[in-house]
Amino acid sequence: QVQLQESGPGLVEPSETLSLTCTVSGYSIKTSFWTWIRQPPGKGLEWIGCVSDSGKTNLNPSLKSRITLSLDTSKNQFSLEMSSVTAADTAVYYCARGLNWFDPWGQGTLVTVSS
Amino acid sequence: QSVLTQPPSVSAAPGQRVTISCSGSSSDIAIYYVSWYQHLPGTVPKLLIYENDKRPSGIPDRFSASKSGTSATLDITGLQTGDEADYYCGTWDGGLNWVFGGGTKVTVL
Repeated sequence: QVQLQESGPGLVEPSETLSLTCTVSGYSIKTSFWTWIRQPPGKGLEWIGCVSDSGKTNLNPSLKSRITLSLDTSKNQFSLEMSSVTAADTAVYYCARGLNWFDPWGQGTLVTVSS
Repeated sequence: QSVLTQPPSVSAAPGQRVTISCSGSSSDIAIYYVSWYQHLPGTVPKLLIYENDKRPSGIPDRFSASKSGTSATLDITGLQTGDEADYYCGTWDGGLNWVFGGGTKVTVL
């Protein structure tokens, strides 16, 4: 059974860098694509980007300048870094498996941007 | 504002049918597969439909979907109280940016 679990700070100060990790169990990240999606409070889903098993990334154009996605195959994890965060980046962040559809999803982690 | 347009809400009585539309364009729905997600309150979004009309194992056949031209549709028949959730469509836009619809809240009257 494939399971994904996000981890990282729940509070980030404005202008700082948000860093999240998704730990995958029951499946090798050396296959498939791995995706980050977020949901701001009271709003809909927003795709952040995906990383392939070879490390190639495809990023949301509106976030591209601030985002880095990476893989750590030794730990079966993939990560998201988002720089220069503002209150608008406050959201539940989900990791998921897939490129053309997303399944399964992690439980999600709330990240609040505030001083 | 989402590239994909969904009605904000739909409602029906238990046992009835609801249809959720997802309207796009020639650069997204028309040429890429559509998937649908159910987001129950307090839970994780769940894949309902992939590749326009395929159900993952475990998804009841009460959920069905189709695509025609620049639009896609999700049908829920035999509506149950447990179906109250937000539903999202999604697809690629131009092959470089994945987009979700704005979401549709289903209410069981």
